[in-house]
Amino acid sequence: QSALTQPASVSGSPGQSITISCTGTSSDVGGYNYVSWYQQHPGKAPKLMIYDVSNRPSGVSNRFSGSKSGNTASLTISGLQAEDEADYYCSSYTSSSIVVFGGGTKLTVL
Amino acid sequence: QVQLVQSGAEVKKPGASVKVSCKASGYTFTGYYMHWVRQAPGQGLEWMGWINPNSGGTNYAQKFQGRVTMTRDTSISTAYMELSRLRSDDTAVYYCARDLRYYYDSSAFDYWGQGTLVTVSS
Repeated sequence: QSALTQPASVSGSPGQSITISCTGTSSDVGGYNYVSWYQQHPGKAPKLMIYDVSNRPSGVSNRFSGSKSGNTASLTISGLQAEDEADYYCSSYTSSSIVVFGGGTKLTVL
Repeated sequence: QVQLVQSGAEVKKPGASVKVSCKASGYTFTGYYMHWVRQAPGQGLEWMGWINPNSGGTNYAQKFQGRVTMTRDTSISTAYMELSRLRSDDTAVYYCARDLRYYYDSSAFDYWGQGTLVTVSS
């Protein structure tokens, strides 16, 4: 099972919006609504930001939103803030009953 | 509050085995699948598998089949991940992570342990 494809890096200025894509196949992203997004700051454990494509856990800012079209899922962060600078990973359930992660995207807030 | 507390860092020689523990508190341990995820230095996240603490059933990523064993001790609300025949490329931080949903594998992880660094070096 191949990893999901994410851009290596994205950047934006404070207050702007950015979108991170996560491309898979019909056997993972396209076939199930079990796409999640995680934020990871250096030296810390990942934090769940989005689950089931577009749901936010309690306590996660509504500046974070998720969506999916075909085999590509997306994470959008609006009103970019300095503390959003981190690595972001997508994941998906697959037809093999396993979980696959994306390679990760480094978000830089300029 | 939910907490997952993992055992401390380990240094192992190639060919050895390592067993990492993950003690859960603040919720019904048997009600939520426990996943294990690892992260090599400077690399991304890699899912290893899960254990159903209620039944003891497991599901491993094919890459680790034959080398990984996930177990649990419900009397002390602790999950374990043992990896055998260690190689240098097994050097990584190993995380336990609780599944989001009750009695279900939703493949979303809402609580994570602090991570355990396993270093494999001769």
